[in-house]
Amino acid sequence: SAVISQKPSRDICQRGTSLTIQCQVDSQVTMMFWYRQQPGQSLTLIATANQGSEATYESGFVIDKFPISRPNLTFSTLTVSNMSPEDSSIYLCSVELLAGNRAGELFFGEGSRLTVL
Amino acid sequence: QKEVEQNSGPLSVPEGAIASLNCTYSDRVSQSFFWYRQYSGKSPELIMSIYSNGDKEDGRFTAQLNKASQYVSLLIRDSQPSDSATYLCAVNNAGRRALTFGSGTRLQVQP
Repeated sequence: SAVISQKPSRDICQRGTSLTIQCQVDSQVTMMFWYRQQPGQSLTLIATANQGSEATYESGFVIDKFPISRPNLTFSTLTVSNMSPEDSSIYLCSVELLAGNRAGELFFGEGSRLTVL
Repeated sequence: QKEVEQNSGPLSVPEGAIASLNCTYSDRVSQSFFWYRQYSGKSPELIMSIYSNGDKEDGRFTAQLNKASQYVSLLIRDSQPSDSATYLCAVNNAGRRALTFGSGTRLQVQP
């Protein structure tokens, strides 16, 4: 598996502000994903962070609201812009390992718990 | 119809019993199937992956896949209170590297 570090682990934010979440992996991975897990809910994919190109967003998520960067193979950021209380959630960075029989398996960071007041 | 469906539970079993968790999926071309365990306040942890029809065993865990029925299950033998968690079923569809998750089944193992 990979060690995936996310910062911040939690934050309390004011409505209308923006927050950037960082995800650092201890090895090079091809695929990085950002998921959201709202209270009591399962995981919803926000976007795929592509290295060297723009992120690919899922239906219902747009770049202006959730801009993503992926400057290299081990690091990505997700910004939650112009936050509202509905953005209160856990945001999870996830990576895919491609080697051997672990293909397709996703591993998750510890998550960033955001509360928007 | 949800892409990946699970009974939300809670599923309550006594310690030492077999816990059976079920999952159905809608996309027939799905290729890879995963079970994650998520403790309250923690991130999901991969416990099993299965890629072909049949059973796959790993310790106390057995994953079962039936592609014809679009059904995947997880059996936990000799259930322990430490197995109490939410179990998420996830599916990888052809041409898509991200996983689609079910809503999870909450398992409670009673000591």
